[in-house]
Amino acid sequence: GESVGLHLPTLSVQEGDNSIINCAYSNSASDYFIWYKQESGKGPQFIIDIRSNMDKRQGQRVTVLLNKTVKHLSLQIAATQPGDSAVYFCAETHNFGNEKLTFGTGTRLTIIP
Amino acid sequence: DTEVTQTPKHLVMGMTNKKSLKCEQHMGHRAMYWYKQKAKKPPELMFVYSYEKLSINESVPSRFSPECPNSSLLNLHLHALQPEDSALYLCASSQDSRPSYEQYFGPGTRLTVT
Repeated sequence: GESVGLHLPTLSVQEGDNSIINCAYSNSASDYFIWYKQESGKGPQFIIDIRSNMDKRQGQRVTVLLNKTVKHLSLQIAATQPGDSAVYFCAETHNFGNEKLTFGTGTRLTIIP
Repeated sequence: DTEVTQTPKHLVMGMTNKKSLKCEQHMGHRAMYWYKQKAKKPPELMFVYSYEKLSINESVPSRFSPECPNSSLLNLHLHALQPEDSALYLCASSQDSRPSYEQYFGPGTRLTVT
């Protein structure tokens, strides 16, 4: 069946280092992907998105890479800071215009001071 | 103002109670959403309202009843809930219901059913 999953449930990174969070999806029709950050006690917060006609998109300290061949998505965070500690979810939708987002399992990122 | 507010922050209710969760946004967004999030799990979509009309109901039990009185408000009426309904209930809004429009999430209401 359709699933959006993450390879690692937890990740610890030294402050200042780069981190990479991975996500696999199974639906080849998925055409729009979003990364969300959820801090403790808060709702998810949009970080960055990417459409299936792209393979890379950069934001401020964040880069999303999309590999459609292996149905893999990653979020790279550069020069991590304590405020980056959170749970990160990938989310996907297919058939551009579909209203429903499907969230992946989530990865807890802990930044070690 | 890019804020989605939710009240109450916490709610404890018995299985025979009737309660309501409220969500409000003043960003002029025309799509609003209810999600359910269990501990250490991702959010799961429950309902989508687009232009004040219910457009998606993800086969949610009838003990959850959504209502969109106007474009700024979204309610979730609760009745005869079960302990397994205990979760964080998140409201979100977006300019339009198409996924390319960013969804802004509220902080959620943490519901405990006893």
